[in-house]
Amino acid sequence: EAGVAQSPRYKIIEKRQSVAFWCNPISGHATLYWYQQILGQGPKLLIQFQNNGVVDDSQLPKDRFSAERLKGVDSTLKIQPAKLEDSAVYLCASSLEGGGANTGELFFGEGSRLTVL
Amino acid sequence: QKEVEQNSGPLSVPEGAIASLNCTYSDRGSQSFFWYRQYSGKSPELIMFIYSNGDKEDGRFTAQLNKASQYVSLLIRDSQPSDSATYLCAGRGDNQGGKLIFGQGTELSVKP
Repeated sequence: EAGVAQSPRYKIIEKRQSVAFWCNPISGHATLYWYQQILGQGPKLLIQFQNNGVVDDSQLPKDRFSAERLKGVDSTLKIQPAKLEDSAVYLCASSLEGGGANTGELFFGEGSRLTVL
Repeated sequence: QKEVEQNSGPLSVPEGAIASLNCTYSDRGSQSFFWYRQYSGKSPELIMFIYSNGDKEDGRFTAQLNKASQYVSLLIRDSQPSDSATYLCAGRGDNQGGKLIFGQGTELSVKP
């Protein structure tokens, strides 16, 4: 079974530039998550999709970050304009279900490492 | 703000010893808890999950949950150098749409 695919793996940009990350979840997984992991910290949820609808985007800095999941499969996370503090690894994860306390695990992709200079 | 707190570490143990990783959480609505292992530069991978009070064992790993004390732990018996990694504790509640809230992680180093 193919895992969660992400690209690019690495990206270096200047502040105020824009960047986009792509994620393809495991086939059949309805729920997709984008997490931001700053060096030395745990992952922080940015946005959660159930199929192509947003379930939670309460911690997404909407003035500069946007995300979409067209057709309920692939997803794109965009940052425009980037700030120095956006330097982090952006992890995409997927799961079979999104609700309930005892539902399936989250499967993570390898992540996209962003450096903002 | 729902939070999950872990010992910041790093935690260093000799090979063959028991490593004890601890986690507390603030949201009493949290129903299940997950321990992920993350090697440097890699993505998190699930080790165990637990949702009932008490102990749950899987090989060398034992997860413990005490909902009254809002405390979760992970014990690693017979620690191996290959266990050296950052361990992430995460909680999930019934009403949180399935999302996991992660702690900051504890770095474990197992010395040969």
